[in-house]
Amino acid sequence: DTAVSQTPKYLVTQMGNDKSIKCEQNLGHDTMYWYKQDSKKFLKIMFSYNNKELIINETVPNRFSPKSPDKAHLNLHINSLELGDSAVYFCASSRDVSDGELFFGEGSRLTVL
Amino acid sequence: DAKTTQPPSMDCAEGRAANLPCNHSTISGNEYVYWYRQIHSQGPQYIIHGLKNNETNEMASLIITEDRKSSTLILPHATLRDTAVYYCIVRYNNDMRFGAGTRLTVKP
Repeated sequence: DTAVSQTPKYLVTQMGNDKSIKCEQNLGHDTMYWYKQDSKKFLKIMFSYNNKELIINETVPNRFSPKSPDKAHLNLHINSLELGDSAVYFCASSRDVSDGELFFGEGSRLTVL
Repeated sequence: DAKTTQPPSMDCAEGRAANLPCNHSTISGNEYVYWYRQIHSQGPQYIIHGLKNNETNEMASLIITEDRKSSTLILPHATLRDTAVYYCIVRYNNDMRFGAGTRLTVKP
């Protein structure tokens, strides 16, 4: 019964392809996040959604497009993949936008060749 | 753009207390201090948070100085499984931004 689950866990693809990473939380939380952890291990927030509405959008290339079909899901679609997109992507959720206790998924390791 | 400073690494002997310091000299009055840890590329895990009072839970204790410019996370009896990167975060604008953290290595 994983609270925050991401699929796939591993993704290897070629430059220029389009790929998606899915995230689901079964905690009944209102707020969901995407973080990126690069090879230097820095963990940076990318997006935050509250009740399906975008509330944080960091300076992320518009090749990255989050989609929240309902408040339990926040998917990340990446167009025209580049080498620099290789990273581990973490999804997280919290009760609401003011709650700082985030529950993270196990991560999705994306490798772009 | 983290508002905290932590030592890059620390060692601790198994069974001893691990005391992880964090400086946050520019913290504002209504900003909380949060601690997370990340065990070997797993997703980060929430540990504890506080505003001005000391806090304790089943995982750790958090000591915040009176001027709130620094804090210490205490793992009372460190085990090998506590080896991880520990992140101290000052949360502002409902935003959780991670810095470089402290890599804690618990040694037998």
